Amino acid sequence: AAGVIQSPRHLIKEKRETATLKCYPIPRHDTVYWYQQGPGQDPQFLISFYEKMQSDKGSIPDRFSAQQFSDYHSELNMSSLELGDSALYFCASSRSETGQRLYGYTFGSGTRLTVV
Amino acid sequence: DQQVKQNSPSLSVQEGRISILNCDYTNSMFDYFLWYKKYPAEGPTFLISISSIKDKNEDGRFTVFLNKSAKHLSLHIVPSQPGDSAVYFCAASAYGANSKLTFGKGITLSVRP
Repeated sequence: AAGVIQSPRHLIKEKRETATLKCYPIPRHDTVYWYQQGPGQDPQFLISFYEKMQSDKGSIPDRFSAQQFSDYHSELNMSSLELGDSALYFCASSRSETGQRLYGYTFGSGTRLTVV
Repeated sequence: DQQVKQNSPSLSVQEGRISILNCDYTNSMFDYFLWYKKYPAEGPTFLISISSIKDKNEDGRFTVFLNKSAKHLSLHIVPSQPGDSAVYFCAASAYGANSKLTFGKGITLSVRP
C-alpha cells in the first residue's frame, strides 16, 4: 500500500541557509500535518492543511512557511536556518471522515535536518 | 505546558511478561487517545486507540485502558516480544481541533529475550 513519502531523508545545511522539505500524502488523504521532533523530545505540531488550505497552526517559527499544492503534496520551507532547527521533521496525512479520528494519521519516515 | 505526559522515559521487560506503559493528560477536551510505536529511522506507526466513551479497547496482544476521572491511560502488551522493543508515544486529540494530535515525550520499551 502507498505510504506517506518524504524527501529528502537527510539534509545538511549551514546556518542562515534555506531548506525545503517535501511531503507526498497517501492518495485520497485530504489533510497533511507537519511535526518537528528535536532530540529526546516529543513530536511538536507545526502546521496542517485541509484541502490545500491551512487548517491549523502550532509552534511554527515565522522563518518557516508551508503550503499544499493542487496535487496535495506539501512543502515546508525553512529560511535563515539556526542550529536549533536541527531535528526530525515528520509529515503525516489523514482522511477526514467520520471515524477517522479513531485511526489517527499515517506518518512518513521523516526528514532529518542537520544545521551546521 | 505538556498536555500529554509520559513520565517514565524507559521500561525494560522480560520476554513473555506484561509491559504496562502509562500516560497522563491534563486537557479535559481530549476525546480520542492513540498509541504510536516508533522504530529508529522510521516514522511513528499507529498501534491502537480509544475514544473517551470507552474505558477499554483490545486488539490482539495490545489493550488500552482509559480512566477519565484520573485523566490516565495505559497500554498493556501481553505477552511482550523482543520485536516490541521501540519507542511508544501516547497521543490525544480534541474534538474540533482539526484532528491535530498532541504527543507525549515517548517511552522506550526494551523487551529482553
